[in-house]
Amino acid sequence: EADIYQTPRYLVIGTGKKITLECSQTMGHDKMYWYQQDPGMELHLIHYSYGVNSTEKGDLSSESTVSRIRTEHFPLTLESARPSHTSQYLCASSEGVLGAEAFFGQGTRLTVV
Amino acid sequence: GNSVTQMEGPVTLSEEAFLTINCTYTATGYPSLFWYVQYPGEGLQLLLKATKADDKGSNKGFEATYRKETTSFHLEKGSVQVSDSAVYFCALSDPTSGGFKTIFGAGTRLFVKA
Repeated sequence: EADIYQTPRYLVIGTGKKITLECSQTMGHDKMYWYQQDPGMELHLIHYSYGVNSTEKGDLSSESTVSRIRTEHFPLTLESARPSHTSQYLCASSEGVLGAEAFFGQGTRLTVV
Repeated sequence: GNSVTQMEGPVTLSEEAFLTINCTYTATGYPSLFWYVQYPGEGLQLLLKATKADDKGSNKGFEATYRKETTSFHLEKGSVQVSDSAVYFCALSDPTSGGFKTIFGAGTRLFVKA
């Protein structure tokens, strides 16, 4: 059973607010990822991490930032939310070796009004 | 570059019908291949995987065979149930990045009618 958690599940927030989406995993995985899922369902990698103190931009440009101070924790921050940030955000982790599956959290559905 | 192409949805079937969702890939090396499923309001979860050519992954009545000659990994189920209604994603583990990044197809939504 996957042990990766995201909070909150749903968030409605006003334009200009700062928000942090939380993601934690208890599997000891070094590799963690953030995906943005558009209404058409497609997944876009926006950030990933090889391990503590490692963060990289993904394939889709994003105004969000991430940090990796602890192995189990990979939060995503938006300094000033805008309606264009409205989306579903999915966090995942894996052992990061060939053949290893990715474990996903339940997602955070963000709505910026 | 590496990519995954899967059939567009939505796919609508009656209960007990046969399901095929096509998936083809492009990769420079020898990727691992996956099918993930996403139920409404949830994250993705692994359905099955295959790590080398001719391997067959199977789970919950679903099957897919890694065909290197046709670069395909089609998902099949002999008799679908209403509970199989979900979005299905084909994916590969990018070998050029040491298996680090997972590349997803665009997803295929399946509706099963009772």
